[in-house]
Amino acid sequence: GAGVSQTPSNKVTEKGKYVELRCDPISGHTALYWYRQSLGQGPEFLIYFQGTGAADDSGLPNDRFFAVRPEGSVSTLKIQRTERGDSAVYLCASSETTAGELFFGEGSRLTVL
Amino acid sequence: DQQVKQNSPSLSVQEGRISILNCDYTNSMFDYFLWYKKYPAEGPTFLISISSIKDKNEDGRFTVFLNKSAKHLSLHIVPSQPGDSAVYFCAARPFGAGSYQLTFGKGTKLSVIP
Repeated sequence: GAGVSQTPSNKVTEKGKYVELRCDPISGHTALYWYRQSLGQGPEFLIYFQGTGAADDSGLPNDRFFAVRPEGSVSTLKIQRTERGDSAVYLCASSETTAGELFFGEGSRLTVL
Repeated sequence: DQQVKQNSPSLSVQEGRISILNCDYTNSMFDYFLWYKKYPAEGPTFLISISSIKDKNEDGRFTVFLNKSAKHLSLHIVPSQPGDSAVYFCAARPFGAGSYQLTFGKGTKLSVIP
């Protein structure tokens, strides 16, 4: 389909391991966002890309989290030394322009044992 | 400190009746408000929005009301249908710098009983 695609849909890992989550936005959308939804909470902003650059990474919880978007399309969220508290659904969204309508992917559910 | 609050975690409504979902906010910088609908194992999808210069926006069965002085908004669904059963998130964005950033409430799970 033509929507936002996220892989993997589910990831189970052990504490301390490294994880990568991938997002393929809608073609032509210049803005890309990562949000995190913990159990019983609403989505929380992590990072925003305009093109290739991270315009705002103020929502990343600590330096174990990093995201890239090298060619202005696909983005990867990277989590080092995972902790149990990182368990959540990681949502990616894209929009045609900044502050345009956000289209969300189905999310990647991360479980850290 | 929660800037967007949805105080009802769940709501059950009979099919055909009105569903009213409420949302309160604390940040005076918010000037645009949105409602998202989320089915299990799917991402949130945009439903309806309202700018702070309006007090009502209607789209088919869905109407959003905004009371700026009370910092309160509500989503009305009339008539409610079983397919409306989902989690509804209220979200807000500020004007100016950071206008791309949505702040979400915790959501209200709506169950429409046939």
